[in-house]
Amino acid sequence: AQSVTQLGSHVSVSEGALVLLRCNYSSSVPPYLFWYVQYPNQGLQLLLKYTTGATLVKGINGFEAEFKKSETSFHLTKPSAHMSDAAEYFCAVTSNSGYSTLTFGKGTMLLVSP
Amino acid sequence: DAMVIQNPRYQVTQFGKPVTLSCSQTLNHNVMYWYQQKSSQAPKLLFHYYDKDFNNEADTPDNFQSRRPNTSFCFLDIRSPGLGDAAMYLCATSRDRGPETQYFGPGTRLLVL
Repeated sequence: AQSVTQLGSHVSVSEGALVLLRCNYSSSVPPYLFWYVQYPNQGLQLLLKYTTGATLVKGINGFEAEFKKSETSFHLTKPSAHMSDAAEYFCAVTSNSGYSTLTFGKGTMLLVSP
Repeated sequence: DAMVIQNPRYQVTQFGKPVTLSCSQTLNHNVMYWYQQKSSQAPKLLFHYYDKDFNNEADTPDNFQSRRPNTSFCFLDIRSPGLGDAAMYLCATSRDRGPETQYFGPGTRLLVL
């Protein structure tokens, strides 16, 4: 079984500040991890994903995430927040063991103030 | 541009009146998914098609059905919508199952009166 925990349903930052969105996962097999972003009344868009290889993954819009197996974490960061980053962010996990589908976390709403 | 299209973007139906939501894709992906997303919640997988093979999640109510007549199209049928079925319905596709990226459509927001 797989699960994802996102700490903090809402995160507020000032424009230009560091963005840190936390994600911890549980998986009995090697995980594949994703971050998706959702703007109001839109579908989800992939930010980045970790499958194998380099544990620091760079995505679109200046975001990156680091897979830390020992901490079962995949936190999302961006050095400097922009107003356009305000959206809901979902962490998700799947595996490559036979048939597997995405399990999403509950999401974190990022609020960016001027 | 290759994409996932959902129609309509907003759908209003009456309590108990059947409704069909549609999804089409130009990505030629093997897998198509339907998710239900209620306000401020994570998307919840209802079912998916791997080619013509239908896979229902264990907790998906019988009230929800799906059809995939060909690779490009997939439909979500709600036989007797209840007030609790009001939600955003998201269609997604992926080239294969497992750790493949899923590409989402813009969603259809369903309102049940």
